[in-house]
Amino acid sequence: EDQVTQSPEALRLQEGESSSLNCSYTVSGLRGLFWYRQDPGKGPEFLFTLYSAGEEKEKERLKATLTKKESFLHITAPKPEDSATYLCAVLITGNQFYFGTGTSLTVIP
Amino acid sequence: DVKVTQSSRYLVKRTGEKVFLECVQDMDHENMFWYRQDPGLGLRLIYFSYDVKMKEKGDIPEGYSVSREKKERFSLILESASTNQTSMYLCASSHRQRRQPQHFGDGTRLSIL
Repeated sequence: EDQVTQSPEALRLQEGESSSLNCSYTVSGLRGLFWYRQDPGKGPEFLFTLYSAGEEKEKERLKATLTKKESFLHITAPKPEDSATYLCAVLITGNQFYFGTGTSLTVIP
Repeated sequence: DVKVTQSSRYLVKRTGEKVFLECVQDMDHENMFWYRQDPGLGLRLIYFSYDVKMKEKGDIPEGYSVSREKKERFSLILESASTNQTSMYLCASSHRQRRQPQHFGDGTRLSIL
C-alpha cells in the first residue's frame, strides 16, 4: 500500500537549534516529492520539489534532501518565524498525490 | 505566481442547508482538487477533476458533489450540510502532464451549526 509518513509529529526547538524533519515513503513509481509549509488558518505553501535520489534544494535556512526511501527537511539555525506545520507529498505514476500528516514545528525565542 | 482563490475564508451555515464552495485558479491548470483538513487526520481528498465537466471521487466523497463547467473554476457542493462536515476545506490545482506540485488556496473554514 502506498504510504507517506512524517516524523516527528511535533518538534520544539530553541532559536538557533538546528534539526531535521523526516518524510518516509513506500510508493511505487515515484515521480516527485514536494515539501510545503502551512501556517495556522492558511493553505499549504509550496517550498521544494525533489525528483531523484541524491537531489538537494535550498532556500534560506531550509534544505531538502531525497533518498530512495525518505526525504529530510533540514532547518539550520531556525528563527521563531519558521514556526509552522511542514507537509510532504509524493506524486506517483498515474498522477496520484499522497500527503503526509505533517510535522508541527515551534521555534522558541 | 500561481494563484488559487477560494471565495470565502470563513463560512457559517445551518444543518440541512445546501452549501457552495467556489475555487478559481489563474494558471491554466488541468487538474483541480478539493480536500478537507481536520486535526490529526491530515489532508483527505474529496473529489478531483482532470478536465472540464470531468470529475472523480476521492477518498471521502459521501455527502459532497462537485461541478467543473469551466477550466479555471471548480465548485464543491454540500448537498445537505451536517455538523460532521465542519472543517477546513482546501482547493488545489496542478498541471496534468508535468511533474509539478499542487498549489493551494488559503482555505475555507466552514462551520455547520
